[in-house]
Amino acid sequence: AQKITQTQPGMFVQEKEAVTLDCTYDTSDPSYGLFWYKQPSSGEMIFLIYQGSYDQQNATEGRYSLNFQKARKSANLVISASQLGDSAMYFCAMREVGGGSTLGRLYFGRGTQLTVWP
Amino acid sequence: GEEVAQTPKHLVRGEGQKAKLYCAPIKGHSYVFWYQQVLKNEFKFLISFQNENVFDETGMPKERFSAKCLPNSPCSLEIQATKLEDSAVYFCASRSSGNTIYFGEGSWLTVV
Repeated sequence: AQKITQTQPGMFVQEKEAVTLDCTYDTSDPSYGLFWYKQPSSGEMIFLIYQGSYDQQNATEGRYSLNFQKARKSANLVISASQLGDSAMYFCAMREVGGGSTLGRLYFGRGTQLTVWP
Repeated sequence: GEEVAQTPKHLVRGEGQKAKLYCAPIKGHSYVFWYQQVLKNEFKFLISFQNENVFDETGMPKERFSAKCLPNSPCSLEIQATKLEDSAVYFCASRSSGNTIYFGEGSWLTVV
């Protein structure tokens, strides 16, 4: 079974509008972390935001916020006031912390290509 | 350093040749990971280290892939006898005791 599912291969948003990128996850580990990364066309992986499974508040980092709905196992990324430079591939990822694996590999979704238009 | 440094950025190898990639994790980060990204949207975990010790190598195709993280040296990922399907971007990532995992810029391997 897929650990991370991103159902939107592509999304379009107009500059200055907000956009939500969907991510659902599957784990039986009670302790896990959720990540979002941005990969522009140049190829590097840029860390955006992190949410721990026990965090009470939704994570926010500048224009990025993570809408964490634990019961629904979803961790959607919200980008407010989109900019042209936000055009990139966005990956959701999860790390399972429990079960004796303290390092925990990242499981990635297949990404969502976001295009911001003027 | 303050970033994960990967070299080379691009590498072209003929089928059957050896390829070796290097990674210097962020200073103070004791956990290192290697990932392979194929077709721009599929990440495959290869191996993880805690300091110089292999922690999880279940993703490694062991017959041709090997990796090391030795003290006072960059970590390395080596592919013996490359195949066309090894063409991919290879990412190194590192983490301290905190939660955030930082990636390098990747090494683009093309096997021709």
